[in-house]
Amino acid sequence: NAGVMQNPRHLVRRRGQEARLRCSPMKGHSHVYWYRQLPEEGLKFMVYLQKENIIDESGMPKERFSAEFPKEGPSILRIQQVVRGDSAAYFCASSPPQASNNYGYTFGSGTRLTVV
Amino acid sequence: GENVEQHPSTLSVQEGDSAVIKCTYSDSASNYFPWYKQELGKRPQLIIDIRSNVGEKKDQRIAVTLNKTAKHFSLHITETQPEDSAVYFCAASRKYRLAFGKGNQVVVIP
Repeated sequence: NAGVMQNPRHLVRRRGQEARLRCSPMKGHSHVYWYRQLPEEGLKFMVYLQKENIIDESGMPKERFSAEFPKEGPSILRIQQVVRGDSAAYFCASSPPQASNNYGYTFGSGTRLTVV
Repeated sequence: GENVEQHPSTLSVQEGDSAVIKCTYSDSASNYFPWYKQELGKRPQLIIDIRSNVGEKKDQRIAVTLNKTAKHFSLHITETQPEDSAVYFCAASRKYRLAFGKGNQVVVIP
């Protein structure tokens, strides 16, 4: 059973471009969580999604950021018109429905976004 | 929202000694407290967790204690080894949303 898969591992974008980060949950998991880690900081919650539903996006900036988890395929975190401050590691975790509360999440390997 | 603080920010210990990292949290409704270990450039890995109905939990050389009244919890690593060198993050939650501390750099000196 593969763990949470994220790609790409590293992504370099110029200011103003779009970044698309992908997360495939563990098999049987239908809940996905995105966290952002700025350099030398802890992880910060961004968004919680279930298949075809955004449950909580209160940690995500209102502008330029969006997330989706379609019925088929991975969850996508999209950042439009990237700025230098978006440079960070973005981690995804997943859980089965019955364990969405107080669950010891396993994170994916992350996508390290660098904006130049 | 929940606010989690960690102390000290950096901790150096001699190999074989013990290391203790303390965290405080602000939301008395938080009931789940995991600890993650992160090596440079890698993912955070869950190493131990504790729920609010338990005061202490141990797994080989690591243990976590929780004081709900004082709203703090601690990670204890005994007989430290060089491979314990990493950044350790504490977190707190009451539902699905983890609030992380800023991390402690632990350096084990051989």
